[in-house]
Amino acid sequence: NAGVMQNPRHLVRRRGQEARLRCSPMKGHSHVYWYRQLPEEGLKFMVYLQKENIIDESGMPKERFSAEFPKEGPSILRIQQVVRGDSAAYFCASSPLDRDSPLHFGNGTRLTVT
Amino acid sequence: GEDVEQSLFLSVREGDSSVINCTYTDSSSTYLYWYKQEPGAGLQLLTYIFSNMDMKQDQRLTVLLNKKDKHLSLRIADTQTGDSAIYFCAENQAGTALIFGKGTTLSVSS
Repeated sequence: NAGVMQNPRHLVRRRGQEARLRCSPMKGHSHVYWYRQLPEEGLKFMVYLQKENIIDESGMPKERFSAEFPKEGPSILRIQQVVRGDSAAYFCASSPLDRDSPLHFGNGTRLTVT
Repeated sequence: GEDVEQSLFLSVREGDSSVINCTYTDSSSTYLYWYKQEPGAGLQLLTYIFSNMDMKQDQRLTVLLNKKDKHLSLRIADTQTGDSAIYFCAENQAGTALIFGKGTTLSVSS
């Protein structure tokens, strides 16, 4: 049973470009979460999605960031017009049930904005 | 939500016990979790405890929960160099996703 798959592992973008981060949850998991980890900091919650629905986006910056989890295919975290402050590790996690079940994490996408 | 607090660093010698402490914020949290992160990797779920328990033991790991003080600890017996990593405490505050502390970096010397 494959774990949570994230790609790419490393992504380099210039300021102003768009970044697309992909996440395929574990088989049988229908809940997806995105977290951001800044250097020397813990993980900050960004968004919680189920298939075709955004359940909680209270941690998402109001501008330039969006997320989706379509009926078919992986969840996508999209960052438009990236700035240097967006450089971080972005982790996706999935769970089979609601927020009371443990999260299983992918290995993350490390975004570097030059 | 408010912050989950952890000490940032812990250094132990191989074979000793390690105790990593955490203070959480929401007394209504149902579960409390410990995750381990090795360099360049994602977070690995180590163990978790239901809030109506005081203690949970799993091989070399012992989790203690003090609900009155909102204090959670992770004890690693016979610590090995392979245990060197960052350990994160997390709680599921009511109505939110998991809230993480900043992590405790455990350094094990031989």
